[in-house]
Amino acid sequence: GAGVSQSPSNKVTEKGKDVELRCDPISGHTALYWYRQSLGQGLEFLIYFQGNSAPDKSGLPSDRFSAERTGGSVSTLTIQRTQQEDSAVYLCASSLRRNTDTQYFGPGTRLTVL
Amino acid sequence: AQSVTQLDSQVPVFEEAPVELRCNYSSSVSVYLFWYVQYPNQGLQLLLKYLSGSTLVKGINGFEAEFNKSQTSFHLRKPSVHISDTAEYFCAVSLMTNAGKSTFGDGTTLTVKP
Repeated sequence: GAGVSQSPSNKVTEKGKDVELRCDPISGHTALYWYRQSLGQGLEFLIYFQGNSAPDKSGLPSDRFSAERTGGSVSTLTIQRTQQEDSAVYLCASSLRRNTDTQYFGPGTRLTVL
Repeated sequence: AQSVTQLDSQVPVFEEAPVELRCNYSSSVSVYLFWYVQYPNQGLQLLLKYLSGSTLVKGINGFEAEFNKSQTSFHLRKPSVHISDTAEYFCAVSLMTNAGKSTFGDGTTLTVKP
């Protein structure tokens, strides 16, 4: 079956512009996660959803970052007024139900802020 | 808050040699532990996880890890590596009280030489 998909695969934007990153989880997966991977570093947790609710938003770096999930499926991560330090690969993952279920990762969106 | 330290950023080994990738964590409460692998130009995938029970956990591709609570470690081992094991390996931890939020180490690059 289809895995986690993310779009766009690459995004180049100018400093100060807003960007939207999309994640389509595996069908039927109720939990969805967003991470950020900067060059040479590990993954940084941003936010996770259980259904359409986000129990933990503590990883969002600033109020310029927001995320939503609709219909218990697609999720969008929005970054407003992008800064150069936002450049990274943004990864999305989904798991079946519980947070201890295996997370399946998408290929990521590489964001470059000029 | 939890944290993860991967003690080696790079580990070069020869084919068919044993390997150990070290991971230490810090947490004041009980945790779940994970190892992920990222092959070149591929997405992240789960190797193995410790949730409860036996402290020796077996994963895919012949890898295993041992949870040592007294030493707060979760080292990854393989008795004989292949060229195809060349990849980046990430250790991650989440609290049992907030399993949706995983904290990742900075990664260990395993390079297997012929």
